[in-house]
Amino acid sequence: GDSVTQMEGPVTLSEEAFLTINCTYTATGYPSLFWYVQYPGEGLQLLLKATKADDKGSNKGFEATYRKETTSFHLEKGSVQVSDSAVYFCALSGGSGGSNYKLTFGKGTLLTVNP
Amino acid sequence: DGGITQSPKYLFRKEGQNVTLSCEQNLNHDAMYWYRQDPGQGLRLIYYSQIVNDFQKGDIAEGYSVSREKKESFPLTVTSAQKNPTAFYLCASSNGQGVSGNQPQHFGDGTRLSIL
Repeated sequence: GDSVTQMEGPVTLSEEAFLTINCTYTATGYPSLFWYVQYPGEGLQLLLKATKADDKGSNKGFEATYRKETTSFHLEKGSVQVSDSAVYFCALSGGSGGSNYKLTFGKGTLLTVNP
Repeated sequence: DGGITQSPKYLFRKEGQNVTLSCEQNLNHDAMYWYRQDPGQGLRLIYYSQIVNDFQKGDIAEGYSVSREKKESFPLTVTSAQKNPTAFYLCASSNGQGVSGNQPQHFGDGTRLSIL
């Protein structure tokens, strides 16, 4: 079946540092890829998505590029802020190993940004 | 504003008791989902429903039950058969997925269930 592997956390950075959170996936077919963010005590919010190879999703300074050749969707931001502190989840849907309705999540990466 | 409302925010269950978590959406979405979140384990799918009066088991359905009598509502019952119910429960909805599965899911703010 489909699976998502993302880098173990926690990740601790200083404000204005560069962020990379690695995400790789296993899926047959042509899945869509997502990054979600969860702030403390809240549900998940969609951060960005990409639906086909070489697509770049971007939002709020975050970017991720759908790399089919390396089965990756790494999240990057050039300059993080304290307000970016949250848990980040990589997810996929639409792979042949699961139904189109099912999101398969990574385990999440906790990011803490210090002033 | 359109969105997903989960209630209550906190819920306590006694041993042997069934409890029901509410999830309501006004996004006119066809599909709804229930996830369980445990520390360090990400989200796991409990049940999902693609259309009214129909639902399917997810990866960890044992000890849970759902109903989908109305498009906007998808309540989850945690039964006494669920021996480890303490977790954060998240409800989500989406506008169907079509062939490509590219529609994002929208999440509520969750219900935290604890055992007394």
